Amino acid sequence: AQTVTQSQPEMSVQEAETVTLSCTYDTSESDYYLFWYKQPPSRQMILVIRQEAYKQQNATENRFSVNFQKAAKSFSLKISDSQLGDAAMYFCAYSIPYGGSQGNLIFGKGTKLSVKP
Amino acid sequence: EAGVAQSPRYKIIEKRQSVAFWCNPISGHATLYWYQQILGQGPKLLIQFQNNGVVDDSQLPKDRFSAERLKGVDSTLKIQPAKLEDSAVYLCASSINTGSYNEQFFGPGTRLTVL
Repeated sequence: AQTVTQSQPEMSVQEAETVTLSCTYDTSESDYYLFWYKQPPSRQMILVIRQEAYKQQNATENRFSVNFQKAAKSFSLKISDSQLGDAAMYFCAYSIPYGGSQGNLIFGKGTKLSVKP
Repeated sequence: EAGVAQSPRYKIIEKRQSVAFWCNPISGHATLYWYQQILGQGPKLLIQFQNNGVVDDSQLPKDRFSAERLKGVDSTLKIQPAKLEDSAVYLCASSINTGSYNEQFFGPGTRLTVL
């Protein structure tokens, strides 16, 4: 069964600094998708960034980038120039690529990010 | 473009009572998901619909939970009777279609407290 592990329950960063959130996953598939979602106190989950496993190039979205290490099954999120609005829960998620559950997301337990002014 | 709508936002009930949640997905989205998010954990899928058919309900506690998607648009999730451990946030999400590459758009969720 696929699993997603986030080993950092809480992280803190100074405004304008850089922070990296860790995520590891387990799967026997070779082609799949990985996501980072942000959940602010309002609870609405927002997609931050997406990575296709068959792409070697790491995905980047403005201040957000990932370090995808397929062999190590590692998928970390780097937030550069942190802003107060980045404070939220961050969830790493794996998307089941095939079969009846295709598209279903398996989430980690999340990392609570605090940003200090 | 309007997002995923859910109601109510909050609900407090006594154990053994019944409760229903409503979700209206983004227009044109064929796939709809219900997730349960217990405090301190990530969301867990309960059920996935493709149009008005169930694709995956393997993690739905069918002795007390039921869900339907009328005419392939709105969906309701019901719990009867509720237990204390059902206290959680219930998230609805939709995507344009199945497929792991399709982004899921989430609603604001319903926070259920069972006393």
